[in-house]
Amino acid sequence: DAKTTQPPSMDCAEGRAANLPCNHSTISGNEYVYWYRQIHSQGPQYIIHGLKNNETNEMASLIITEDRKSSTLILPHATLRDTAVYYCIVSSPGNMLTFGGGTRLMVKP
Amino acid sequence: GAVVSQHPSRVICKSGTSVKIECRSLDFQATTMFWYRQFPKQSLMLMATSNEGSKATYEQGVEKDKFLINHASLTLSTLTVTSAHPEDSSFYICSAWTSNVVGVRETQYFGPGTRLLVL
Repeated sequence: DAKTTQPPSMDCAEGRAANLPCNHSTISGNEYVYWYRQIHSQGPQYIIHGLKNNETNEMASLIITEDRKSSTLILPHATLRDTAVYYCIVSSPGNMLTFGGGTRLMVKP
Repeated sequence: GAVVSQHPSRVICKSGTSVKIECRSLDFQATTMFWYRQFPKQSLMLMATSNEGSKATYEQGVEKDKFLINHASLTLSTLTVTSAHPEDSSFYICSAWTSNVVGVRETQYFGPGTRLLVL
């Protein structure tokens, strides 16, 4: 699996958009970009995934650059409950997911 | 999204005893499940891949005789920590991929985790 690079931590004001970047310059053609988050003492929660097109669901939006070497997860209106560690992972469907350090997002009042 | 459950959510046991952790896919079938371990302030580390009807494959450094995996059905995988020691205390998490109607893997969902404390 390709490796990803994420900032170790970020702060966001409650109600504002949280933009979490991820670099995956060695991603291969059949690998998707997956985003998960982990709230303390819980299992990872699936957020969104994409191959090359931008994606949106009820939780977030995923913006993937045209060259697919980086992506951004957008939480449009962050709440205190969005405070978590966010993991960006690239993988082919069916394979194991390799977790890096993730980004610790702190949403502040 | 799909649901993966784990039981128990937490367990405390004495050193030398064995502990069984169950992982179930509640609303989908999974021929493959994954077992991860997470130590405090660290990321998830894959331990093994559980395959329905065949032997599990273990990651380097994970003792297969200590961490017994059984994937007896399409909805259940079990991890047994044998002769547990305090250093086995950790957060154990399982996961499984959902598939679409033609069998293409779509999304991997994780269980809520099992916290093991070995005294």
